[in-house]
Formats: sequence, structure tokens, C-alpha cells
Amino acid sequence: EVQLVESGGGLLKPGGSLRLSCAASGFTFSSYSMNWVRQAPGKGLEWVSYICSLSKTIYYADSVRGRFTVSRDNAQNSLYLQMNSLRDEDTAVYYCARESITGARDFDYWGQGTLVTVSS
Amino acid sequence: DIQMTQSPSSLSASIGDRVTITCRASQSITNYLNWYQQKPGNAPKLLISTASSLQHGVPSRFSGSGSGTDFTLTISSLQPADFATYYCQQSYSAPRTFGQGTKVEIK
Repeated sequence: EVQLVESGGGLLKPGGSLRLSCAASGFTFSSYSMNWVRQAPGKGLEWVSYICSLSKTIYYADSVRGRFTVSRDNAQNSLYLQMNSLRDEDTAVYYCARESITGARDFDYWGQGTLVTVSS
Repeated sequence: DIQMTQSPSSLSASIGDRVTITCRASQSITNYLNWYQQKPGNAPKLLISTASSLQHGVPSRFSGSGSGTDFTLTISSLQPADFATYYCQQSYSAPRTFGQGTKVEIK
């Protein structure tokens, strides 16, 4: 069974840093591209970042570029999101999502999310 | 960046109604269009990929159509489990933008 479990969320002040993790199981993690998607309270989905299977291609949303860094450890079946210089508007539930291998590039599995709250 | 515009942003419907949600891309995305369903407190769930491919286990009352810039998600006969928010997403290029969502509520 495919499972994605995020962790690392919490409450912190503007300007702070946080590292989110996503533990993957039930599939060959090293074969899949992964994404981070966030959802502010009461708002819609916002794609945040993409990393390909071997970490050679990485994309970021304009809203986080230069502040967030995505990485992965295929040996540990883990995806990470290092978040620096956090702002109030980064408050959201952060989901990791697997990108399907079919070529459709849809997000076929999602974690349950981890809440990041940035507030003074 | 490709902008995705959904309409309506919300709708009220009754059990058994036929419901249609539209999604428009700011440029052609061929058929790289996906639909997700999200219920409160839960992660999104993939319903349809590449505009019309129903995911395994998704009821056949859901269908998707369209290509280029205009797409449609249809629920042929609304059921209680279908009250949720629906999002379209383009996977043609990065950033993989989502529509703003359509909340389907009980009438």
C-alpha cells in the first residue's frame, strides 16, 4: 500500500526556518518524481515545488523561490522541504504528493498533510 | 505561467442532479488536465487524469472531457458522497497550477 507521511510542521515566528519531511513507503520511491502542495486555511491548493526522481530537475513556485529548498534521499525513501525566511502567508497545510509514472504527471497519491503556522 | 480558471466557484445541487464544472486554461495544455476531489480535513484525491481517464475505483458517474483550453467535469447523478470541493490542475508545464476550486454543496 502506498503511503506518504508528512512531519515537521509547527508554530513559528516570521523569519524562522522549518524542515518538513515526507516518508514514503509501499512503492519504489527512487522511480517517482515528487511534489509539495500547500493549502492555506480555507483556501485552495497551491503547488509549491517539484523534484524529479534523481533530483536533477527541480522547480519552485515564484512565491517560495529563494526561500524554500526541496530535496530527497532515495536511500531513506524520504522527501524534504527546507523552509527559510518564513512569512505569515506561508501558513498552510503542506502535502507531499507523488507524481504518477504514467506520463500524465498527475498527483496520484497524497500524504495527510502537516500544518505550518507562521505567526508573531 | 498557465492560469487555470474554474467556474462556478460554488454551486448548490440536489441528490440525483447532473452537475457540470468547467475549467479553462490560459493557453493550450492539450489533454494534461487532472481533476481532484477534496473533502474537509482530508487530502485531495485524484479522480480523473489526462482530461478523461477515470482513476481506478472512482465511480462511473464521474466523467471528464475537453482538450486544448476548455475542460469539463461532470457528475451524472449527484450522490451524498460527492459533496466536496473539486479542483482542476494542469500538468502540461511547471508550475503545475490548480484552479481555485468549486465547492459542491447540498441544496
